[in-house]
Amino acid sequence: EAGVTQFPSHSVIEKGQTVTLRCDPISGHDNLYWYRRVMGKEIKFLLHFVKESKQDESGMPNNRFLAERTGGTYSTLKVQPAELEDSGVYFCASSQLGPGELFFGSGTQLSVL
Amino acid sequence: AQSVTQLDSQVPVFEEAPVELRCNYSSSVSVYLFWYVQYPNQGLQLLLKYLSGSTLVKGINGFEAEFNKSQTSFHLRKPSVHISDTAEYFCAVSEFGGTSYGKLTFGQGTILTVHP
Repeated sequence: EAGVTQFPSHSVIEKGQTVTLRCDPISGHDNLYWYRRVMGKEIKFLLHFVKESKQDESGMPNNRFLAERTGGTYSTLKVQPAELEDSGVYFCASSQLGPGELFFGSGTQLSVL
Repeated sequence: AQSVTQLDSQVPVFEEAPVELRCNYSSSVSVYLFWYVQYPNQGLQLLLKYLSGSTLVKGINGFEAEFNKSQTSFHLRKPSVHISDTAEYFCAVSEFGGTSYGKLTFGQGTILTVHP
């Protein structure tokens, strides 16, 4: 069974540019989460999808971040325009049932210069 | 709201020695408790979890943790570590009975380095 896949693994962009991160969850997982780890800080929750609906987006930093989950399958996280403080590792995770049973992708390392 | 504190940012140990990684949490509600591990260039992997019942929880790779409600702690232990245990370990909580089970609050992480 394929795990959670994230693309790209690394992205280097300049301030003001747009970047789109993609996450393919484990097939059949209705729950999809985005997390972010800024260097030196803890991993923080961004948002939660149940199928194609946003269940909780309380962790999204501001309106420069837009997350979508088309048809309840893969998800994208767009940052537009990117700022220096957006640099970090963005993790995607998916789950089927049960508290905290998350399966994480390897993350996208985003560097904004 | 919850918060998690991992008391050690780095823990160096020698191979076959015992290790304890400390985790304390704060919450106004009951929580579920987890330990995740991240090996180099990989995603986080669930080591073990406490949902209810016995306060001593056994996980993968010989790790165990004990939930202490009075001290609000969930320390991770292993009696004898191996080189392959070198990784970063994260303690996390989520709200008991909440609608978003996967909305985890993480600690800052502890880097465990096992030396030969």
